Amino acid sequence: GAVVSQHPSRVICKSGTSVKIECRSLDFQATTMFWYRQFPKQSLMLMATSNEGSKATYEQGVEKDKFLINHASLTLSTLTVTSAHPEDSSFYICSAPLGETQYFGPGTRLLVL
Amino acid sequence: GNSVTQMEGPVTLSEEAFLTINCTYTATGYPSLFWYVQYPGEGLQLLLKATKADDKGSNKGFEATYRKETTSFHLEKGSVQVSDSAVYFCALSGNSGGSNYKLTFGKGTLLTVNP
Repeated sequence: GAVVSQHPSRVICKSGTSVKIECRSLDFQATTMFWYRQFPKQSLMLMATSNEGSKATYEQGVEKDKFLINHASLTLSTLTVTSAHPEDSSFYICSAPLGETQYFGPGTRLLVL
Repeated sequence: GNSVTQMEGPVTLSEEAFLTINCTYTATGYPSLFWYVQYPGEGLQLLLKATKADDKGSNKGFEATYRKETTSFHLEKGSVQVSDSAVYFCALSGNSGGSNYKLTFGKGTLLTVNP
């Protein structure tokens, strides 16, 4: 099956710093990728749709200046959490579609101290 | 809008027991339906899918049938194993064949299988 990777798998940072998370489709191209946030014991919340060659589309209530998304190529999307605060601590997961199926990355655990 | 309602957990079973996790949906058009599984500390893995009415998705002993008349996609397994312990998510995607691949997820059901 299709493989999607994320890097890093885990990151700890100080409050006020920025953190970049990469999402890569390893064996297929994706003009669209999705970024989700998952709180403990809860479902996934779609944050934004990353579009190659154009601006990302953000879901209602998600701050676009806080969560910067760049879809640099057909296999790479990055999510930058700017000026991170403890409330941004969460599990961030990306996905990329191949046909009608979404393939998910393994997730990135962010802890902001 | 689209929505997915799945059985709330947690569900605790003994090894070799029969498993059913109910899932119903509301959607316009003809969505595709999915079950994803999330093992502790990991991302989601596609377990099975069905893209049209009466299709049956199956994988690793799990099955689910796309029932348009009851708008359901219940997950079943005849004999669970300890290794099946995970969170299971029912999901649907946008209009089949379109460019909208957004997934709508249920809240997830935690399954624990004891030896």
